[in-house]
Amino acid sequence: EVQLVESGGGLVQPGGSLRLSCAASGFTFSSYEMSWVRQAPGKGLEWVAFISGSGETIYYADSVKGRFTISRDNAKNSLYLQMGSLRAEDTALYYCVRLIALAGLYDVFDLWGQGTMVTVSS
Amino acid sequence: DIQMTQSPSSLSASVGDRVTITCRASQNINFYLNWYQHKPGKAPKLLIYAASTLQSGVPSRFSGSGSGTDFTLTITSLQPEDFATYYCQQSYSTPELAFGGGTKVEIK
Repeated sequence: EVQLVESGGGLVQPGGSLRLSCAASGFTFSSYEMSWVRQAPGKGLEWVAFISGSGETIYYADSVKGRFTISRDNAKNSLYLQMGSLRAEDTALYYCVRLIALAGLYDVFDLWGQGTMVTVSS
Repeated sequence: DIQMTQSPSSLSASVGDRVTITCRASQNINFYLNWYQHKPGKAPKLLIYAASTLQSGVPSRFSGSGSGTDFTLTITSLQPEDFATYYCQQSYSTPELAFGGGTKVEIK
């Protein structure tokens, strides 16, 4: 079955760190670009970070730049998000998502995990 | 950075109604506009890409239009399963695929 399964969420104190993982299955993971997207409670969707299939190209949203690190291990079919210097505003449900180019041109998020919840609170 | 603005942020409608949601980009994004449907507890689902192309399996009561900076998502004859939050997303400035703020469609 083609799926993404996130793990690693939990309660962490402000200033703390957390590492999220995403296990991919049912497709050739290394062939796909991946991203993390989050949704704070009662808020909309926010793109967080992107990584190319090889891991060589990485982008971050300004809101997490310098604090979060996206990485992947293609041998383990896994995507990661290392989060540091966490703030209350990082509290959100974090989704692992697959990116594809439909019609060879139009990038979309076509496969989403169910999300893992991160709560930053003292 | 490209900013995406949706309106309204919420609306109430009845089954059978025609619903229109608008999305405006802060700069010209040509046809690089996606629409997603998001229900509580579920993963978001792609409805439309390239502003007006229906993703496979999506009912034909959903349609998208627009280009440049102004876009619309229309649901003709709203069904009970359509009550959800809808997001637009630009894919012009890839891979920084920014979303709009969302429009929650509620039952009147």
